[in-house]
Amino acid sequence: GAVVSQHPSRVICKSGTSVKIECRSLDFQATTMFWYRQFPKQSLMLMATSNEGSKATYEQGVEKDKFLINHASLTLSTLTVTSAHPEDSSFYICSAGGLFSYNEQFFGPGTRLTVL
Amino acid sequence: AQSVTQLDSQVPVFEEAPVELRCNYSSSVSVYLFWYVQYPNQGLQLLLKYLSGSTLVESINGFEAEFNKSQTSFHLRKPSVHISDTAEYFCAVSEKTSGSRLTFGEGTQLTVNP
Repeated sequence: GAVVSQHPSRVICKSGTSVKIECRSLDFQATTMFWYRQFPKQSLMLMATSNEGSKATYEQGVEKDKFLINHASLTLSTLTVTSAHPEDSSFYICSAGGLFSYNEQFFGPGTRLTVL
Repeated sequence: AQSVTQLDSQVPVFEEAPVELRCNYSSSVSVYLFWYVQYPNQGLQLLLKYLSGSTLVESINGFEAEFNKSQTSFHLRKPSVHISDTAEYFCAVSEKTSGSRLTFGEGTQLTVNP
């Protein structure tokens, strides 16, 4: 149980285009979803927290107009990188929580974004 | 606010040797503690967690971690490592009142050599 999927697993796009990444909780309802960014050889950096049906809460320094997050249902959250640039190239990981009271998060397999 | 420090960025060991990956945390309130493992180009998998009760927690693949409140530590250990244990390991802390928010350490790359 508690499986989280991400799609696509890998995407290459041209500079200036927008890319949408989907995060789904497959066998449970996720009241809260998190989006992380990870650069090579580094830890996860929390970008934003989203609760179903409400606006995402972004971490300081994360541009909310560039990284659009939608959490329209208890099983789906999307991250759209708008007008992507090479510096947005990174590994994006989502996680889902809210299933248990002890704050455990279940992580998706990640999406490798490369912007040319 | 909580913080996590993983004292070693890289730990190379030989196969079948014991290993300890160190983790210290800082928080003003009670916490939950987690160890996650990440294989190349994959997401994070939960290795083990401390919620309450016994301070020694174990995983199904031979890892264990001990919560030491006085030293604010949650070190990860394995008595005999395998090549397949090569991965990045992240320690994470969540304050019991923070609503699922995790704070991660910088990670420790464990490399097991034959």
